[in-house]
Amino acid sequence: KNQVEQSPQSLIILEGKNCTLQCNYTVSPFSNLRWYKQDTGRGPVSLTIMTFSENTKSNGRYTATLDADTKQSSLHITASQLSDSASYICVVSDNAGNMLTFGGGTRLMVKP
Amino acid sequence: DTAVSQTPKYLVTQMGNDKSIKCEQNLGHDTMYWYKQDSKKFLKIMFSYNNKELIINETVPNRFSPKSPDKAHLNLHINSLELGDSAVYFCASSQGGPRYEQYFGPGTRLTVT
Repeated sequence: KNQVEQSPQSLIILEGKNCTLQCNYTVSPFSNLRWYKQDTGRGPVSLTIMTFSENTKSNGRYTATLDADTKQSSLHITASQLSDSASYICVVSDNAGNMLTFGGGTRLMVKP
Repeated sequence: DTAVSQTPKYLVTQMGNDKSIKCEQNLGHDTMYWYKQDSKKFLKIMFSYNNKELIINETVPNRFSPKSPDKAHLNLHINSLELGDSAVYFCASSQGGPRYEQYFGPGTRLTVT
């Protein structure tokens, strides 16, 4: 059964600190992995999308890594800002392209 | 300049009623989706339409019926609403199918009393 597990479930950090969110998946065959940011009361917004051959991808202060062998991904946030407070959702697509498996998300709170 | 818009943003209704949520995208995408996000924040895909044809229909009660009058619109009609239907419903769109980047609407919070 395809699954996507994220950790931690929630995280509190101080403004300016770095943090790393984890995503482990069992989706097979694999097509791509995406990270979304969802602010409270809003729809998810795409941060990065990575295919099998990509190990790392950056979007400003957000850097995602992918290890397709171990089926793990991480999202690293550098120099966190208050506006980074949100849920971060990992989504994996299978190779047929019609099946998306969502993780439960990590709720990040950045405190001043 | 809203890319994916939904109406209404909030919907409060009683059990047994029938209601509709509308979605429109102005991105020129050929695929649209409906998602349900429950109180635990899990997002689950409900339906996917490509060029007005249904391509994904997850295990959803047949009280839910999507309608796509054209490529830019995908409406969700719900019959005989139940308490468990309370959730936030998101519309999304992409070009080329589910494996490609999706753009989400702002969500519709449905509360069934």
